[in-house]
Amino acid sequence: AQRVTQPEKLLSVFKGAPVELKCNYSYSGSPELFWYVQYSRQRLQLLLRHISRESIKGFTADLNKGETSFHLKKPFAQEEDSAMYYCALSVSGTYKYIFGTGTRLKVLA
Amino acid sequence: DAGITQSPRHKVTETGTPVTLRCHQTENHRYMYWYRQDPGHGLRLIHYSYGVKDTDKGEVSDGYSVSRSKTEDFLLTLESATSSQTSVYFCAILEPGQGVSGELFFGEGSRLTVL
Repeated sequence: AQRVTQPEKLLSVFKGAPVELKCNYSYSGSPELFWYVQYSRQRLQLLLRHISRESIKGFTADLNKGETSFHLKKPFAQEEDSAMYYCALSVSGTYKYIFGTGTRLKVLA
Repeated sequence: DAGITQSPRHKVTETGTPVTLRCHQTENHRYMYWYRQDPGHGLRLIHYSYGVKDTDKGEVSDGYSVSRSKTEDFLLTLESATSSQTSVYFCAILEPGQGVSGELFFGEGSRLTVL
């Protein structure tokens, strides 16, 4: 079965510190993975997708098929990064999108 | 914002009553989704639709039914609400990508409390 695991419910870091939000997945096919973010009082929105290999707001995420991971990283956290982050998996051939349990990131001043 | 609205935004109801949540889109997209968001569980897929009258179950479909009689509307019904269905419900539409997976656009959420 497909599964997305985010082991940390809450991650607190100080402003300027590096951030890594962990995401592991279980999927038998070739995965398409995403990070979605929900800022306070805003809608859930796409942050980045692995296939684009892009950097958005300083965040990057590399797909590691050997470790079945897609961790989200940023070298220097900013207070405006405080939000709820969800890792998601697209199930090939079905258009189902499975989300993880989410990690709340708090960036402290 | 993508043209997606949910109604009602807030609802309090009693156990055993039926409840219908509506998701309306103005984008004419094929795929629509209903998720519930709960602390410790994240976002869980309830049902999704891949066209008019075409729907499929998600991870937590028990106790829920859906209908899609028009492209623009996707209804989620709790036939007999239970306290375990107290949650925030999100509708999403899928904007197709060009050769890649599309992007989900979410509604603002509907907070349902079942007493």
